[in-house]
Amino acid sequence: QVQVVQSGPEVKKPGASVKVSCTASGYTFTDYYIHWVRQAPGQGLEWMGWINPNNGGTELAQKFQDRVTMTRDTSISTAFMELSSLRSDDTAVYYCARAATGTTDGDAFHIWGQGTLVTVSS
Amino acid sequence: SYVLTQPPSVSVAPGKTASITCGGNNIGSKSVHWYQQRPGQAPVLVIYYDTDRPSGIPERFSGSNSGHTATLTISRVEAGDEADYYCQVWDSSSDHYVFGTGTKVTVL
Repeated sequence: QVQVVQSGPEVKKPGASVKVSCTASGYTFTDYYIHWVRQAPGQGLEWMGWINPNNGGTELAQKFQDRVTMTRDTSISTAFMELSSLRSDDTAVYYCARAATGTTDGDAFHIWGQGTLVTVSS
Repeated sequence: SYVLTQPPSVSVAPGKTASITCGGNNIGSKSVHWYQQRPGQAPVLVIYYDTDRPSGIPERFSGSNSGHTATLTISRVEAGDEADYYCQVWDSSSDHYVFGTGTKVTVL
């Protein structure tokens, strides 16, 4: 079935970087945007950006433009999100989500990963 | 930046109808998507492009969008509908997605 599966939980120290993976199966990886969304404990959803797996193009939320890198490896149908210069307020569950209909701006997020808890603590 | 405002909470008795609003400046000109998030779980898309339901989502879930308010309506509410609900739009002026503040639905 169509799914995206994320890497496991991470514990990092302030100032470090974390790289979360999102592996797709059951569909053609390059046909749909992958979005990244995070949720701090007890808080709402926050969009971080998207990657177009076909050409590697990205669009990042302004808040994350200097700290987030989104990449993909089409040979293993996997997207990656790397967040650098970690702070305590980066502690959150990070989700990847596949777009609903393809590579259209404004599309919904249809297939979600299970989430990856990233804890930043000294 | 574009702001979406939702009521923090809505309470509803089983079998009744819950309406969750999402306010935004001229939101009727945008496409609105709605997500359900049960505790400890990933969000689930329940309505997209204002009124469409993904496969597997019950017909009890419906959406509307006009003027400055979009609405998610849950008919014949069940205990399993208890969750947080988020609206979402794409802001074409910034090329960025925006989520609403979220509404906790409690089934009495």
